[in-house]
Amino acid sequence: AAGVIQSPRHLIKEKRETATLKCYPIPRHDTVYWYQQGPGQDPQFLISFYEKMQSDKGSIPDRFSAQQFSDYHSELNMSSLELGDSALYFCASSLERGRANYGYTFGSGTRLTVV
Amino acid sequence: AQTVTQSQPEMSVQEAETVTLSCTYDTSESDYYLFWYKQPPSRQMILVIRQEAYKQQNATENRFSVNFQKAAKSFSLKISDSQLGDAAMYFCAIGGGADGLTFGKGTHLIIQP
Repeated sequence: AAGVIQSPRHLIKEKRETATLKCYPIPRHDTVYWYQQGPGQDPQFLISFYEKMQSDKGSIPDRFSAQQFSDYHSELNMSSLELGDSALYFCASSLERGRANYGYTFGSGTRLTVV
Repeated sequence: AQTVTQSQPEMSVQEAETVTLSCTYDTSESDYYLFWYKQPPSRQMILVIRQEAYKQQNATENRFSVNFQKAAKSFSLKISDSQLGDAAMYFCAIGGGADGLTFGKGTHLIIQP
């Protein structure tokens, strides 16, 4: 079965640089979520999109922005990177805002290292 | 705001025995879902079990079952016949709709051979 695809798997950037993370949800899923998981931490919700419109916003810094495109893939853009942005970034997708029987499915994550 | 509390940072169990991981939560929502996710060293987030709050019957998935006490806002996970492959970080989470999930701090489960 198709899963949530995230790219790249690993990314190394220098401070003050920009990074773009991509997420391809499971086909027919209409909702995409982004999470940030720091070392030894629980995942923190950043932002979500439903039918290509921003649906909910969590603890996403102003330096970050995201969007969902017509093909439902989503991109997380991160500017002016800081050392503290080093984390594992997960994308998850769901159908009908998570209310369908199979809930949320996570991708394998993008590990961002800022040096 | 929703909160999730996992009071056991680490648990250890002998292989083939049963272990229960605790989770309590708080929410003002009437319609919500509860989840247990497993995160092995690969860091992949794997759904273990899902419970819909309006369903009184406890969810089960093979060796995994939950004890859902809605009035007490408790959602514990029982793992029967523990296997070495069950060793991982387990996160309890609450969510509903497009709001995203709120996770607990996690419980590190160690399986002793």
